[in-house]
Amino acid sequence: GAVVSQHPSWVICKSGTSVKIECRSLDFQATTMFWYRQFPKQSLMLMATSNEGSKATYEQGVEKDKFLINHASLTLSTLTVTSAHPEDSSFYICSASSFNIALGGGGNKNIQYFGAGTRLSVL
Amino acid sequence: GENVEQHPSTLSVQEGDSAVIKCTYSDSASNYFPWYKQELGKRPQLIIDIRSNVGEKKDQRIAVTLNKTAKHFSLHITETQPEDSAVYFCAASMGNQGGKLIFGQGTELSVKP
Repeated sequence: GAVVSQHPSWVICKSGTSVKIECRSLDFQATTMFWYRQFPKQSLMLMATSNEGSKATYEQGVEKDKFLINHASLTLSTLTVTSAHPEDSSFYICSASSFNIALGGGGNKNIQYFGAGTRLSVL
Repeated sequence: GENVEQHPSTLSVQEGDSAVIKCTYSDSASNYFPWYKQELGKRPQLIIDIRSNVGEKKDQRIAVTLNKTAKHFSLHITETQPEDSAVYFCAASMGNQGGKLIFGQGTELSVKP
């Protein structure tokens, strides 16, 4: 159980276009979804925290108008990179978590299950 | 805010030896500490975690220790194998922030046969 699907896995786009990335929890309802950005040989940098039906909470320095997050249901969150530029090229990873005890959660511990990531290349 | 420091950044060991990766965290309110393994181009996979009310946890060749007073936690891998080669990330979380994780910088472990 606890499978997170992320699509697309790889996208190449022209500068100025927008790209949408989907993150789905396939077999559980996610309490929260998170979006990260990872540069080569670097750590995961949290971009935003997303709860279903409410506005995402963005980390300091992350432009919310640039990186639009929609969390329409307990199993789907999307990240749209608007007007992408070459500096937006990166590996974007989502994760989903649940306080469901059956998934290892409960008591303020909620495991994050990660998607496979999306490699974005902006030309 | 929370800050997590991880050392070393790279670690090379011979097959069969032990590997130790250390992390420190800044916020004493942190209460959950997972470790993730990430192979090149793949998703991070949870390998072990520990809560703040426990000092040590072991799962076969992997163990994690936590020193709350010193705000240190460490990952210990015994009898390393080539397939243990990957990047390992520690993280810390405070339960009152919806499970937000702050990650360490990562350790690239190389196990030489």
